[in-house]
Amino acid sequence: DADVTQTPRNRITKTGKRIMLECSQTKGHDRMYWYRQDPGLGLRLIYYSFDVKDINKGEISDGYSVSRQAQAKFSLSLESAIPNQTALYFCATSDRRHNEQFFGPGTRLTVL
Amino acid sequence: KQEVTQIPAALSVPEGENLVLNCSFTDSAIYNLQWFRQDPGKGLTSLLLIQSSQREQTSGRLNASLDKSSGRSTLYIAASQPGDSATYLCALTDSWGKLQFGAGTQVVVTP
Repeated sequence: DADVTQTPRNRITKTGKRIMLECSQTKGHDRMYWYRQDPGLGLRLIYYSFDVKDINKGEISDGYSVSRQAQAKFSLSLESAIPNQTALYFCATSDRRHNEQFFGPGTRLTVL
Repeated sequence: KQEVTQIPAALSVPEGENLVLNCSFTDSAIYNLQWFRQDPGKGLTSLLLIQSSQREQTSGRLNASLDKSSGRSTLYIAASQPGDSATYLCALTDSWGKLQFGAGTQVVVTP
């Protein structure tokens, strides 16, 4: 089984809809991250969490919110999706000591 | 603000040739540097992690070096194979555990 899983893997939605992307990990890591990837722009950090009670904004947090429900679960919400949020979204985890990051398979989100 | 640059953006080599991928960064106050591989439409696979106190790391045909004083890291892939075709990304971790990515180098290895 994969160490970092993301659901759904693909999602097509309409402008204005609320969307939740979920991430689960079995690596026992404290730290979890959400990124988005756009062609030509690379990966950019949306939010990150160093433990269950810690949530921090990343480079591009506007239009997004997150919830850290447990050490192993970190979800990303788009309260009112817009077309420029169409992208590939990745969840990642890392341990506190080495900070080596491990990525999930990604969620391809299309907002029409 | 840390800036991470990968040059070239794309590279095509014949099978068997050695690959040299470059990553440069502007702020030497890094915690570690990580090289990733990404296949089209897929997730990122960690290849090598170099801690800031290390100069290089090796894994099989892969070798990555780190020179913080000059703000450079190089990923060497020996005896390239068509299966090495992918996009290679470098990323730097700051002391807060946040990653800053380069835009990647797209590699094609032709048989």
